[in-house]
Amino acid sequence: DAGVIQSPRHEVTEMGQEVTLRCKPISGHDYLFWYRQTMMRGLELLIYFNNNVPIDDSGMPEDRFSAKMPNASFSTLKIQPSEPRDSAVYFCASSTQGEETQYFGPGTRLLVL
Amino acid sequence: GENVEQHPSTLSVQEGDSAVIKCTYSDSASNYFPWYKQELGKRPQLIIDIRSNVGEKKDQRIAVTLNKTAKHFSLHITETQPEDSAVYFCAATAYASGGSYIPTFGRGTSLIVHP
Repeated sequence: DAGVIQSPRHEVTEMGQEVTLRCKPISGHDYLFWYRQTMMRGLELLIYFNNNVPIDDSGMPEDRFSAKMPNASFSTLKIQPSEPRDSAVYFCASSTQGEETQYFGPGTRLLVL
Repeated sequence: GENVEQHPSTLSVQEGDSAVIKCTYSDSASNYFPWYKQELGKRPQLIIDIRSNVGEKKDQRIAVTLNKTAKHFSLHITETQPEDSAVYFCAATAYASGGSYIPTFGRGTSLIVHP
């Protein structure tokens, strides 16, 4: 298994632009999580899905952030418009029903200028 | 909600020494405690975990201890090597109403092992 796959690995954009981050969970996993990692705030859970349905989005910082999971093998996290304070590493993780362990993707390093 | 405190934030040791990282949590419903290692520019990877019905678990040079009464757990690394240098995260995990286990992470400990 290739593990959790994320793209792009690096993204540099200008303030105001739309950014779309992508994630493919491990096949068979029915939970998908989006995290943001910064030096100031550590690892923050933004949102998580179960069977493609958003369960808890209370960690999404504001309306500029949105996430979708159109099918079991694909999810997107979109920021529109992006701001410099959105610069961070965004991780996607997946897990399976009844298992506590989450498996992280390689992350997307986002820099908003 | 759950609150996890992790200490120290940085830890510098000589190769061969032991390293100990400590975490405390607030939610007595938490029952699963993983530790992740994150090397520079890489993803967090699970290195060891412990469940609430166990007080100690060991895997070669690493061990975790859990005190549920005091709500604290620790990571112990013996005979440290330069390749142990990384950021280590603890987490306290509780079963959520949505049907998954949701971890709350500590802020991380940057471990530096000097050759």
